[in-house]
Amino acid sequence: KAGVTQTPRYLIKTRGQQVTLSCSPISGHRSVSWYQQTPGQGLQFLFEYFSETQRNKGNFPGRFSGRQFSNSRSEMNVSTLELGDSALYLCASSLGVGSTDTQYFGPGTRLTVL
Amino acid sequence: AQSVTQPDIHITVSEGASLELRCNYSYGATPYLFWYVQSPGQGLQLLLKYFSGDTLVQGIKGFEAEFKRSQSSFNLRKPSVHWSDAAEYFCAVGPPIQGAQKLVFGQGTRLTINP
Repeated sequence: KAGVTQTPRYLIKTRGQQVTLSCSPISGHRSVSWYQQTPGQGLQFLFEYFSETQRNKGNFPGRFSGRQFSNSRSEMNVSTLELGDSALYLCASSLGVGSTDTQYFGPGTRLTVL
Repeated sequence: AQSVTQPDIHITVSEGASLELRCNYSYGATPYLFWYVQSPGQGLQLLLKYFSGDTLVQGIKGFEAEFKRSQSSFNLRKPSVHWSDAAEYFCAVGPPIQGAQKLVFGQGTRLTINP
């Protein structure tokens, strides 16, 4: 079974631009969560989607948004990029939203903002 | 607020030596506990998890972890490390509540293996 895939793997953008990252979960998984990883702040939860609905959201500004499609694929969007948005963005999928449902992570998208 | 502390930012051990990575958490109740490993340029791979029951849990790659409620700790151990274990290790807690999947991660411990 294929793992979680994220596209693109690398992105370079300039300040003020917007960006869209994509995540395809493991087949059969219906929950997708997004995390931001930076050297300073570590791994931080962005949001979680299940059945096309956002179920949980971390403490990030409204410039960070996401959505989930009927096939469980998810996208996250960052508008008006800032230098501090440079990070590795990780997507994780799980069967459902139960606390015991293991989250499987993708390889991440490395975003660099210049 | 829940938090996870990994006191050691960087640990160096010799190949074949034993390993213990520390993790302490602060949570209102007993959370679900996880250890993940991240190799350079890769995502996170789950090593093991604790939900309830036996406080010593076995994971993949020969790792184990012990949950100690009295110390709010969930330390990761391996009796003999291999060069391929060099990576960054993250402890995480998850809420024991249905419908809430947010994981809170520690800052990570970078493991270097000396040949």
